[in-house]
Amino acid sequence: KQEVTQIPAALSVPEGENLVLNCSFTDSAIYNLQWFRQDPGKGLTSLLLIQSSQREQTSGRLNASLDKSSGRSTLYIAASQPGDSATYLCAVKLPNRLAFGKGNQVVVIP
Amino acid sequence: NAGVTQTPKFQVLKTGQSMTLQCAQDMNHEYMSWYRQDPGMGLRLIHYSVGAGITDQGEVPNGYNVSRSTTEDFPLRLLSAAPSQTSVYFCASSYRLAGELNEQYFGPGTRLTVT
Repeated sequence: KQEVTQIPAALSVPEGENLVLNCSFTDSAIYNLQWFRQDPGKGLTSLLLIQSSQREQTSGRLNASLDKSSGRSTLYIAASQPGDSATYLCAVKLPNRLAFGKGNQVVVIP
Repeated sequence: NAGVTQTPKFQVLKTGQSMTLQCAQDMNHEYMSWYRQDPGMGLRLIHYSVGAGITDQGEVPNGYNVSRSTTEDFPLRLLSAAPSQTSVYFCASSYRLAGELNEQYFGPGTRLTVT
C-alpha cells in the first residue's frame, strides 16, 4: 500500500527565507506526483505536476524535484512571502486515484 | 471555463436525512471523483468515475452513492446521514492520457455538518 508522508506537519519561516517542503512515498512505481496548495476553508489549487520520467518542474518561484529511487519529492519556494502561508499537499498517482500526504502547514512571518 | 463547481458550499443535516452534493465540470474530463477531508486523516477517495455510465468505489464508499449520466456531472448522494459523515467534500476531475490520469483539478468543496 502506498504511504505518503510529509514532515514537518507545520513550520514557520521569516519572510524572504527559502522554503523547503519534503514528501516521501513508499512505492517508487509511481506515474506522476502533484503538489497542491490549500488555503484555510478553501479547495485545492494545483501548483506543479511532475511526471515519473521527469526530475523536476518549475513555475515562477516554485521548483519541485522528484527522486523515484529514494521515494522523495521536494518543493522549493524561493524568497517566501506572507502570501505563501498555506497548507501544501503532495499526492502520488495510483490507479484511478491520488494518495495524499497530510500536508505541510506553512506560516511566513512578515 | 468555470472549472469544477460544487453546490452547496455549506450544508447542515440531521441524522437520517438524505441529500445530494452536486459536482459539475466544463473541461470535458473523462475522470471525476469525490474525496472527503477530515482533520488528521487527510483526503480519502469515496467514489470515482472513468466516464459516463461507469463508476467504482474508492477507499471509504459506505453510506454514499454516485451515478454518472453525463460527462459533465457527478453527484454524490448521502443515503441516510450520520454524524461520522461530517466532513469537507471535494470533487475532482482529470483528463486521461494513454489511459492514465493526468493533472487533477479540484472544486471549492462542500462543508457538511450532520447533527
